[in-house]
Amino acid sequence: GNSVTQMEGPVTLSEEAFLTINCTYTATGYPSLFWYVQYPGEGLQLLLKATKADDKGSNKGFEATYRKETTSFHLEKGSVQVSDSAVYFCALSDRNTGNQFYFGTGTSLTVIP
Amino acid sequence: DGGITQSPKYLFRKEGQNVTLSCEQNLNHDAMYWYRQDPGQGLRLIYYSQIVNDFQKGDIAEGYSVSREKKESFPLTVTSAQKNPTAFYLCASSPQARGEQYFGPGTRLTVT
Repeated sequence: GNSVTQMEGPVTLSEEAFLTINCTYTATGYPSLFWYVQYPGEGLQLLLKATKADDKGSNKGFEATYRKETTSFHLEKGSVQVSDSAVYFCALSDRNTGNQFYFGTGTSLTVIP
Repeated sequence: DGGITQSPKYLFRKEGQNVTLSCEQNLNHDAMYWYRQDPGQGLRLIYYSQIVNDFQKGDIAEGYSVSREKKESFPLTVTSAQKNPTAFYLCASSPQARGEQYFGPGTRLTVT
């Protein structure tokens, strides 16, 4: 079956620190992979995506590379800001199951000045 | 502006009452989804619909019902049979071909 595993939080970093949030997946086919961000009290916003192996998704300084050999899609940012404080969700979409999404449990990030 | 609207943002109900949460999209997306989010947890799929007049149960459909009479609308009814209805409910839509889902702002339901 399909599933996503994220590193557990919460994660606390100082401003300008390097961020890595690990995400690994299990999939029966060739999924698309996504990172979403959720700010307090709001819905999820699409942060970046990758649709095939070796693709790199990037947005707002965040990056993630689709690694088929390690079934991973780790989120990275070189220098975090206080405004990056949020919960981050890794997800996969499988066309074989009608594009049903499978979400990780989320990783809470707090950036302190 | 294109997007997904959910109303209301906060909803309070007494135990034993049914309540309907609204979800409307003007993105012309075929697929729509309802998720439940509990504090500190991920999203759990309640129901989804790929086309008008058709929908499927997700992982936690018991105590919920939906309808899809129009492409733009996918209301969710939380019935009195749902044992623990207090949660944050998120609606999403997706264009079939591309896969990514777009989310509404959510409705926080409190049942006392």
